[in-house]
Amino acid sequence: EPEVTQTPSHQVTQMGQEVILRCVPISNHLYFYWYRQILGQKVEFLVSFYNNEISEKSEIFDDQFSVERPDGSNFTLKIRSTKLEDSAMYFCASTGEVNQPQHFGDGTRLSIL
Amino acid sequence: RKEVEQDPGPFNVPEGATVAFNCTYSNSASQSFFWYRQDCRKEPKLLMSVYSSGNEDGRFTAQLNRASQYISLLIRDSKLSDSATYLCVVDKGTGNQFYFGTGTSLTVIP
Repeated sequence: EPEVTQTPSHQVTQMGQEVILRCVPISNHLYFYWYRQILGQKVEFLVSFYNNEISEKSEIFDDQFSVERPDGSNFTLKIRSTKLEDSAMYFCASTGEVNQPQHFGDGTRLSIL
Repeated sequence: RKEVEQDPGPFNVPEGATVAFNCTYSNSASQSFFWYRQDCRKEPKLLMSVYSSGNEDGRFTAQLNRASQYISLLIRDSKLSDSATYLCVVDKGTGNQFYFGTGTSLTVIP
C-alpha cells in the first residue's frame, strides 16, 4: 500500500535555528497537509496545500512557518527561527480528493533545545 | 465551544466487551467526519469514515447525527489490539481544514 514518508524521524535543533521537515506524499494525491502534536495534546491543523498554493492555514501557522513543493514529489515545512514551544511531533498527510480521508506519515519528532 | 469535543476517558474494558465513544462538533457546516486511531507516539491511522446513514466495518459501527451534531463509534467484541486512543476528526466545512478531538483512550484488559 502506498505510504506518506517523512524525514527525518527525529530532528534536534538549537532555538533560533531554521529547520526543514520533509514529506513525500502518496504519488497521485493532490492535497497536502501539515499537522503538529505537542506531547500529550491533540493533533492540531497547521496548513493545507493544493495546486502549489496554501488553501487554508491555522492561527498557529504564523510568519515563522512556510511550506513548499519544490519538485513533483517533496512537500516541505520550514520553521524559520525555532522556539522552544515548537517542540512537537509534526505529521504530514495527503489525500486524493477534498473531504476524503487523509493518509498520515509517521511523523518527525522535533526537539528544540 | 471547542470545534470537536470528546470524552478523554480512559475507558478500561474487558476483552469481548462492547464500548461506545461519542464526539460532538460545533460547526453545522462540517461535511466530513472520520474516526482515526492513534497508538502511543505513532501517527493517526484511519479507522473509518462516518456517513450520514451510518456505516459498519466488521466490529466497528459509526453513526452521525447532524441535527444534534454528534458522531459515535461502537466497538463490539473488544480485542486487546483495540487498545489505543480514538480520535474524532471533523472538517471545518471547506474540506481543507480539519479539527481533531483530544481523543478517547481505550484499554482492553485480558
